[in-house]
Amino acid sequence: KQEVTQIPAALSVPEGENLVLNCSFTDSAIYNLQWFRQDPGKGLTSLLLIQSSQREQTSGRLNASLDKSSGRSTLYIAASQPGDSATYLCAVTSGGYQKVTFGTGTKLQVIP
Amino acid sequence: SQTIHQWPATLVQPVGSPLSLECTVEGTSNPNLYWYRQAAGRGLQLLFYSVGIGQISSEVPQNLSASRPQDRQFILSSKKLLLSDSGFYLCAWSRGAQETQYFGPGTRLLVL
Repeated sequence: KQEVTQIPAALSVPEGENLVLNCSFTDSAIYNLQWFRQDPGKGLTSLLLIQSSQREQTSGRLNASLDKSSGRSTLYIAASQPGDSATYLCAVTSGGYQKVTFGTGTKLQVIP
Repeated sequence: SQTIHQWPATLVQPVGSPLSLECTVEGTSNPNLYWYRQAAGRGLQLLFYSVGIGQISSEVPQNLSASRPQDRQFILSSKKLLLSDSGFYLCAWSRGAQETQYFGPGTRLLVL
C-alpha cells in the first residue's frame, strides 16, 4: 500500500525567503508525482507534474525534483511571496491503473 | 479550454437524508473522472474513478456511490447520509491515468 508523507506539516517564513517542501512515498514504482496548491475552502490547483522518467520540472519560481529510487520529491519555492500562502499537497500515481495517493499537505504561511 | 464545474458549492443536510453532488466537464471528451473527499484534519482520499460511461471503480467501502450517466458528467450519491460523510468533496478530470489531474471548485458538505 502506497503511503505519502509530507514534512513539515506547517511552515512559516518571512517574505523573500527560499524554501523547500518535502514529500516521501513508500512504493517507488510510480507513474508520476504531482504537486498541488490548495487555498482555504477551495479546490486544488495543479502546480507541477513529474513523470516517473523525469528528474525535475520547473514553472516560474517553482522547481520540483523527483528521486524515485529513494522515494522522495521536493518542491522548491524561490523568493517566496505572501500570495504563496496555501496548503501544498503532493500526490503519486502508482500501483493499479488509477490509484492516486495524496500526502496530508504542508501549510505554508509567508509573512509580509 | 477545459473547465470543470461542481454544484452545489455548499450543502447542509440532516442525517439520513439523500445526497446528490454533480460534476461536469467541458471542452474535452472521454475524460477520466474522479471523486475525492477531504475530511476535517485528514488528507485527500480518492473515493471513485471512472474511465468511461457507466464504468465506476470504488477505492474505499463507504456509504456513497457514484454514477456516470454521460461522458462528461459524474455524480456522487448517497441514500442516507451519515455524520461521518461531512467533508469537502472534490471532482477532478484527466486525459489519462498518467496525465495531470484538474480539480473543480469543490462542494462543502455538512451533515447535522
